[in-house]
Amino acid sequence: DAGITQSPRHKVTETGTPVTLRCHQTENHRYMYWYRQDPGHGLRLIHYSYGVKDTDKGEVSDGYSVSRSKTEDFLLTLESATSSQTSVYFCAIRASSYEQYFGPGTRLTVT
Amino acid sequence: GQQVMQIPQYQHVQEGEDFTTYCNSSTTLSNIQWYKQRPGGHPVFLIQLVKSGEVKKQKRLTFQFGEAKKNSSLHITATQTTDVGTYFCASAGLNYGGSQGNLIFGKGTKLSVKP
Repeated sequence: DAGITQSPRHKVTETGTPVTLRCHQTENHRYMYWYRQDPGHGLRLIHYSYGVKDTDKGEVSDGYSVSRSKTEDFLLTLESATSSQTSVYFCAIRASSYEQYFGPGTRLTVT
Repeated sequence: GQQVMQIPQYQHVQEGEDFTTYCNSSTTLSNIQWYKQRPGGHPVFLIQLVKSGEVKKQKRLTFQFGEAKKNSSLHITATQTTDVGTYFCASAGLNYGGSQGNLIFGKGTKLSVKP
Protein backbone atom coordinates (compact mmCIF):
# COMPACT_ATOMS: atom_id res chain seq x y z
CA ASP A 1 0.00 0.00 0.00
CA ALA A 2 2.79 2.44 -0.91
CA GLY A 3 3.90 2.82 2.70
CA ILE A 4 1.21 5.28 3.74
CA THR A 5 0.18 5.59 7.35
CA GLN A 6 -2.33 7.87 9.01
CA SER A 7 -2.63 8.91 12.62
CA PRO A 8 -4.71 8.81 14.64
CA ARG A 9 -6.93 6.11 13.17
CA HIS A 10 -9.89 7.13 15.28
CA LYS A 11 -10.61 10.34 17.11
CA VAL A 12 -13.54 11.80 19.01
CA THR A 13 -13.38 15.49 19.72
CA GLU A 14 -15.66 18.28 20.83
CA THR A 15 -17.01 21.09 18.72
CA GLY A 16 -14.68 24.07 18.67
CA THR A 17 -11.47 22.20 19.42
CA PRO A 18 -8.53 22.09 16.99
CA VAL A 19 -7.65 18.74 15.43
CA THR A 20 -4.62 17.70 13.41
CA LEU A 21 -4.46 14.56 11.32
CA ARG A 22 -1.16 13.25 10.08
CA CYS A 23 -0.29 11.41 6.88
CA HIS A 24 3.13 9.82 6.52
CA GLN A 25 4.63 8.23 3.43
CA THR A 26 7.91 6.41 3.03
CA GLU A 27 8.40 6.45 -0.76
CA ASN A 28 9.19 10.08 -1.53
CA HIS A 29 6.11 10.81 -3.65
CA ARG A 30 5.75 14.43 -4.67
CA TYR A 31 1.95 14.67 -4.70
CA MET A 32 -0.14 14.04 -1.61
CA TYR A 33 -3.87 14.49 -1.07
CA TRP A 34 -6.44 14.75 1.68
CA TYR A 35 -9.98 13.53 0.99
CA ARG A 36 -13.07 13.20 3.06
CA GLN A 37 -15.61 10.45 2.48
CA ASP A 38 -19.24 10.79 3.46
CA PRO A 39 -22.28 8.66 2.57
CA GLY A 40 -23.81 9.86 -0.66
CA HIS A 41 -20.88 12.11 -1.55
CA GLY A 42 -18.11 9.71 -2.40
CA LEU A 43 -14.56 11.00 -2.10
CA ARG A 44 -14.10 14.75 -2.07
CA LEU A 45 -10.75 16.49 -2.27
CA ILE A 46 -9.96 18.85 0.61
CA HIS A 47 -6.39 19.97 -0.11
CA TYR A 48 -3.43 18.66 -1.99
CA SER A 49 0.32 19.20 -2.05
CA TYR A 50 2.71 19.12 -4.98
CA GLY A 51 5.90 19.51 -2.95
CA VAL A 52 7.35 20.73 0.31
CA LYS A 53 5.55 23.93 1.31
CA ASP A 54 3.49 23.77 -1.93
CA THR A 55 -0.19 23.21 -1.29
CA ASP A 56 -3.50 24.14 -2.88
CA LYS A 57 -7.21 23.95 -2.21
CA GLY A 58 -9.53 21.23 -3.35
CA GLU A 59 -13.29 21.05 -3.69
CA VAL A 60 -14.18 21.27 0.03
CA SER A 61 -11.37 23.25 1.68
CA ASP A 62 -13.39 25.60 3.91
CA GLY A 63 -12.58 24.99 7.59
CA TYR A 64 -9.39 23.06 6.81
CA SER A 65 -5.74 23.98 6.48
CA VAL A 66 -2.72 21.87 5.57
CA SER A 67 1.02 21.95 5.90
CA ARG A 68 3.88 20.04 4.38
CA SER A 69 7.26 20.84 5.88
CA LYS A 70 8.83 17.52 4.85
CA THR A 71 8.27 15.34 1.79
CA GLU A 72 7.06 12.45 3.91
CA ASP A 73 4.50 14.27 6.08
CA PHE A 74 1.25 16.01 5.12
CA LEU A 75 -0.81 17.43 7.96
CA LEU A 76 -4.50 18.32 7.88
CA THR A 77 -5.76 20.73 10.53
CA LEU A 78 -9.30 21.54 11.52
CA GLU A 79 -8.85 24.88 13.26
CA SER A 80 -12.16 24.68 15.10
CA ALA A 81 -13.94 21.40 14.55
CA THR A 82 -17.66 21.38 13.72
CA SER A 83 -20.13 18.51 13.62
CA SER A 84 -20.26 18.80 9.81
CA GLN A 85 -16.62 17.72 9.77
CA THR A 86 -17.49 14.32 11.22
CA SER A 87 -16.25 12.06 8.45
CA VAL A 88 -13.69 9.52 7.37
CA TYR A 89 -10.51 11.20 6.16
CA PHE A 90 -8.18 9.55 3.66
CA CYS A 91 -4.72 10.57 2.67
CA ALA A 92 -3.37 9.51 -0.71
CA ILE A 93 -0.25 9.78 -2.83
CA ARG A 94 0.01 10.04 -6.59
CA ALA A 95 2.16 7.41 -8.20
CA SER A 96 4.10 7.69 -11.44
CA SER A 97 1.23 6.73 -13.76
CA TYR A 98 -1.19 9.11 -11.97
CA GLU A 99 -2.95 6.39 -10.03
CA GLN A 100 -3.42 7.09 -6.35
CA TYR A 101 -2.72 4.95 -3.31
CA PHE A 102 -4.62 5.58 -0.14
CA GLY A 103 -3.82 5.37 3.52
CA PRO A 104 -6.01 3.37 5.90
CA GLY A 105 -8.12 6.39 6.90
CA THR A 106 -8.97 8.31 10.05
CA ARG A 107 -12.48 8.17 11.44
CA LEU A 108 -13.21 11.53 13.07
CA THR A 109 -16.26 12.21 15.20
CA VAL A 110 -17.04 15.74 16.33
CA THR A 111 -19.56 15.86 19.18
CA GLY B 1 -16.09 21.45 -14.25
CA GLN B 2 -15.47 17.88 -15.21
CA GLN B 3 -17.81 15.36 -13.60
CA VAL B 4 -18.16 11.61 -13.76
CA MET B 5 -21.54 10.05 -13.09
CA GLN B 6 -21.68 6.48 -11.91
CA ILE B 7 -24.62 4.09 -12.04
CA PRO B 8 -26.17 2.24 -10.40
CA GLN B 9 -25.68 3.51 -6.87
CA TYR B 10 -26.41 0.09 -5.39
CA GLN B 11 -26.50 -3.43 -6.80
CA HIS B 12 -27.55 -6.58 -5.00
CA VAL B 13 -26.75 -9.85 -6.74
CA GLN B 14 -26.87 -13.55 -6.01
CA GLU B 15 -23.47 -15.18 -5.88
CA GLY B 16 -22.61 -16.40 -9.36
CA GLU B 17 -24.53 -13.65 -11.17
CA ASP B 18 -22.76 -11.04 -13.24
CA PHE B 19 -22.39 -7.38 -12.24
CA THR B 20 -21.74 -4.22 -14.23
CA THR B 21 -21.18 -0.64 -13.14
CA TYR B 22 -21.07 2.29 -15.55
CA CYS B 23 -19.24 5.58 -15.49
CA ASN B 24 -20.33 8.43 -17.77
CA SER B 25 -19.11 11.92 -18.53
CA SER B 26 -20.47 14.73 -20.69
CA THR B 27 -16.91 15.66 -21.65
CA THR B 28 -14.08 13.66 -23.15
CA LEU B 29 -11.94 11.99 -20.52
CA SER B 30 -8.18 11.70 -20.80
CA ASN B 31 -8.20 8.49 -18.83
CA ILE B 32 -10.34 6.45 -16.44
CA GLN B 33 -9.26 4.71 -13.30
CA TRP B 34 -11.15 2.16 -11.23
CA TYR B 35 -10.89 1.62 -7.50
CA LYS B 36 -12.41 -0.89 -5.09
CA GLN B 37 -13.18 -0.18 -1.46
CA ARG B 38 -14.06 -3.06 0.82
CA PRO B 39 -16.41 -2.32 3.74
CA GLY B 40 -14.44 -0.50 6.43
CA GLY B 41 -11.40 -0.27 4.18
CA HIS B 42 -9.72 2.26 1.95
CA PRO B 43 -9.95 2.66 -1.83
CA VAL B 44 -7.57 0.38 -3.70
CA PHE B 45 -6.43 1.10 -7.25
CA LEU B 46 -7.50 -1.56 -9.73
CA ILE B 47 -6.65 -0.33 -13.20
CA GLN B 48 -6.22 2.62 -15.55
CA LEU B 49 -7.50 2.89 -19.14
CA VAL B 50 -6.16 5.52 -21.47
CA LYS B 51 -6.90 4.56 -25.08
CA SER B 52 -10.18 4.90 -26.92
CA GLY B 53 -11.98 1.55 -26.99
CA GLU B 54 -9.49 -0.04 -24.63
CA VAL B 55 -10.44 -3.29 -22.91
CA LYS B 56 -8.48 -4.81 -20.06
CA LYS B 57 -9.12 -7.93 -18.01
CA GLN B 58 -8.15 -8.96 -14.54
CA LYS B 59 -9.36 -12.51 -13.92
CA ARG B 60 -13.19 -12.16 -13.68
CA LEU B 61 -13.10 -8.35 -14.06
CA THR B 62 -13.38 -6.70 -17.47
CA PHE B 63 -12.80 -2.97 -17.87
CA GLN B 64 -13.79 -1.00 -20.97
CA PHE B 65 -13.18 2.57 -22.10
CA GLY B 66 -15.65 3.86 -24.66
CA GLU B 67 -14.74 4.77 -28.21
CA ALA B 68 -15.54 8.42 -27.56
CA LYS B 69 -13.74 8.33 -24.20
CA LYS B 70 -16.87 9.57 -22.44
CA ASN B 71 -17.85 6.38 -20.69
CA SER B 72 -16.41 3.30 -19.07
CA SER B 73 -17.65 0.10 -17.53
CA LEU B 74 -16.52 -2.53 -15.08
CA HIS B 75 -18.02 -5.98 -15.49
CA ILE B 76 -17.59 -8.81 -13.03
CA THR B 77 -18.37 -12.31 -14.24
CA ALA B 78 -19.81 -14.82 -11.77
CA THR B 79 -19.60 -12.69 -8.64
CA GLN B 80 -18.19 -14.08 -5.44
CA THR B 81 -18.61 -12.87 -1.87
CA THR B 82 -15.07 -11.52 -2.06
CA ASP B 83 -16.29 -9.00 -4.67
CA VAL B 84 -18.37 -7.18 -2.05
CA GLY B 85 -17.51 -3.50 -1.76
CA THR B 86 -17.88 -0.16 -3.46
CA TYR B 87 -16.42 0.37 -6.91
CA PHE B 88 -15.38 3.87 -7.91
CA CYS B 89 -14.40 5.29 -11.24
CA ALA B 90 -12.17 8.35 -11.37
CA SER B 91 -10.60 10.52 -14.01
CA ALA B 92 -7.71 12.96 -14.06
CA GLY B 93 -7.85 16.22 -15.95
CA LEU B 94 -6.91 16.48 -19.60
CA ASN B 95 -3.43 17.86 -19.03
CA TYR B 96 -2.30 15.56 -16.23
CA GLY B 97 0.04 18.12 -14.73
CA GLY B 98 -0.56 20.14 -11.57
CA SER B 99 -4.15 20.37 -10.45
CA GLN B 100 -5.18 18.87 -13.78
CA GLY B 101 -3.75 15.60 -12.54
CA ASN B 102 -6.12 15.58 -9.60
CA LEU B 103 -8.76 12.88 -9.75
CA ILE B 104 -12.49 13.45 -9.99
CA PHE B 105 -14.28 10.49 -8.44
CA GLY B 106 -17.68 9.09 -9.25
CA LYS B 107 -19.88 8.45 -6.23
CA GLY B 108 -19.42 4.71 -6.50
CA THR B 109 -21.53 1.59 -6.92
CA LYS B 110 -22.01 -0.44 -3.79
CA LEU B 111 -22.11 -4.17 -4.57
CA SER B 112 -23.57 -6.70 -2.18
CA VAL B 113 -23.46 -10.41 -2.93
CA LYS B 114 -25.86 -12.92 -1.40
CA PRO B 115 -24.28 -16.35 -0.89
